[in-house]
Amino acid sequence: DGGITQSPKYLFRKEGQNVTLSCEQNLNHDAMYWYRQDPGQGLRLIYYSQIVNDFQKGDIAEGYSVSREKKESFPLTVTSAQKNPTAFYLCASSISAAVEAFFGQGTRLTVV
Amino acid sequence: GQQLNQSPQSMFIQEGEDVSMNCTSSSIFNTWLWYKQDPGEGPVLLIALYKAGELTSNGRLTAQFGITRKDSFLNISASIPSDVGIYFCAGNGLIPGGTSYGKLTFGQGTILTVHP
Repeated sequence: DGGITQSPKYLFRKEGQNVTLSCEQNLNHDAMYWYRQDPGQGLRLIYYSQIVNDFQKGDIAEGYSVSREKKESFPLTVTSAQKNPTAFYLCASSISAAVEAFFGQGTRLTVV
Repeated sequence: GQQLNQSPQSMFIQEGEDVSMNCTSSSIFNTWLWYKQDPGEGPVLLIALYKAGELTSNGRLTAQFGITRKDSFLNISASIPSDVGIYFCAGNGLIPGGTSYGKLTFGQGTILTVHP
């Protein structure tokens, strides 16, 4: 099946630990995105990538890092520098920049 | 950064009523998108708009791309209980190679509750 896969669905980490969230797509999409969603809030853009080996900071990039070494993969690392990492993280992809994006099912990260 | 103002924040309606929500921006967008999100799930694309003035329908849903490129609305006709959820607008920047191109920005969402 074609689609965007985020894993795991639920993730628990201790405070101070880095954690990497996985996002894989087999849609042959060039652009990929990471968003953060807090309860009752909209989606805020963390990082986005229009093409492999290139990415840009979104509105709330501090405390996060990404890589785009392969077209199908765009992992997000939540570092210990992120002050409030507990949130719902959503990955999306689109065939190219500035067209419709499709979302994965999300990863709910809880830091204790 | 770019700001999208979505209204209303929430709506409580009776089954069968029509619903209207809108988004405005201080910036010009070349793409407007409307999504629906169920609790604990990723947003699902409802309608994509690419041209100023464009009016597009998808079943009971109708959306329009404002002529100024700074606004869009979504209408839902004859609402049903499964329309419950959060509706988001999203916009993508105008100029290829510009700082906002490819940067998909979302509104704050409209929470829709439908009473049977």
